[in-house]
Amino acid sequence: IQMTQSPSTLSASVGDRVTIACRASQSISNSLAWYQQKPGKAPKLLIYKASSLESGVPSRFSGSRSGTEFTLTISSLQPDDFATYYCQQYNSHPFTFGPGTKVDIK
Amino acid sequence: EVQLVESGGGLVQPGRSLRLSCAASGFTFDDYAMHWVRQAPGKGLEWVSGISWNSGSIGHADSVKGRFTISRDNAKNSLYLQMNSLRAEDMALYYCAKGVDSGSGTPIDYWGQGTLVTVSS
Repeated sequence: IQMTQSPSTLSASVGDRVTIACRASQSISNSLAWYQQKPGKAPKLLIYKASSLESGVPSRFSGSRSGTEFTLTISSLQPDDFATYYCQQYNSHPFTFGPGTKVDIK
Repeated sequence: EVQLVESGGGLVQPGRSLRLSCAASGFTFDDYAMHWVRQAPGKGLEWVSGISWNSGSIGHADSVKGRFTISRDNAKNSLYLQMNSLRAEDMALYYCAKGVDSGSGTPIDYWGQGTLVTVSS
């Protein structure tokens, strides 16, 4: 299963609403997770089952699904949110990651 | 506190083998699936291998199938990755990671700090 993400880079300002898209090449049900990674750090789980918020993750992060299209939304971008975001399908082996979306400062 | 500590990385020549280990603590190891994920310098994440709680379900990325083998020893709270026939493109930081639950189809909620594998002659 191939995972694509768009855009590859996103320039935004603090307070902006940000949307990142992820598409699966075939049905993965809702077996999709979103991760945030900052330079030199391990990734952090944000969302699982397409729209379930991981414990401790701010409520400005949300996920949604429409068929094989998935979206991560940050309702109001904060300084701590500048990072790279990855989607991952875990519906069937091999569990593939998307190529990532880097969110940087406009 | 969940801790995952990788070891076994280092410099290896192309075609040679290496075995990575991951020591887990702070949770009931045999209740959870485990994964290996790698990241080449400056590149994205690549899922390498995953194993369910009882080793009943195992998967590998196409890029490593037939060369890498994941295994676990629940009595020792340890995860392993046997890497054979290493190639330059296997050079990466290898993360040990814990699944959210016991089955193979599970996302990852904890990550180690990684162990670096360098493949070069």
